Amino acid sequence: NAGVTQTPKFQVLKTGQSMTLQCAQDMNHEYMSWYRQDPGMGLRLIHYSVGAGITDQGEVPNGYNVSRSTTEDFPLRLLSAAPSQTSVYFCASSARGANYGYTFGSGTRLTVV
Amino acid sequence: AQSVTQLDSQVPVFEEAPVELRCNYSSSVSVYLFWYVQYPNQGLQLLLKYLSGSTLVKGINGFEAEFNKSQTSFHLRKPSVHISDTAEYFCAALTSGTYKYIFGTGTRLKVLA
Repeated sequence: NAGVTQTPKFQVLKTGQSMTLQCAQDMNHEYMSWYRQDPGMGLRLIHYSVGAGITDQGEVPNGYNVSRSTTEDFPLRLLSAAPSQTSVYFCASSARGANYGYTFGSGTRLTVV
Repeated sequence: AQSVTQLDSQVPVFEEAPVELRCNYSSSVSVYLFWYVQYPNQGLQLLLKYLSGSTLVKGINGFEAEFNKSQTSFHLRKPSVHISDTAEYFCAALTSGTYKYIFGTGTRLKVLA
């Protein structure tokens, strides 16, 4: 049981480039979310999904897109990378309802130069 | 608006001493409360959660937390810490009926030999 798998673990982008952060879970969880973690700011919700085909914006959605075509996958797309998007990104999933607690991936450390 | 406050950004404590990490939340409706731990270069791991019922919640690794509705607090405690408890700890709240966690800014626990 792999849990929540994020790829890549590290990435360096140039300003203006686009890329997709991958997230996959094998627990048949309905709920999936993307967070970014910045020093002194805790975790901030970017986008979330309550099931295949359903997504919604979180606290800091600008500059990011998501889609949920399957239960397993929830990719995060950076449309045109900016230095302000330098961060550690975490994907998380939960069964039934978010009150069961999320299972987190190990993170993607992104640097935009 | 819902918010989570962790007043202590860093807590140093000697090995085998007790520790309390403070968390206060603000919400006008029912909330679920969580504590997560993040070891260096890893994702977040669920320590414990309060959904309802007994206000004293026991989690993994000997940690426990007490929900205090009148003081809107959910402090995390451990009677005797180990070097291996050195990590960052996050308190989180989830408003009943929603899917969006609100995280605190984290408390870095450093256990000294």
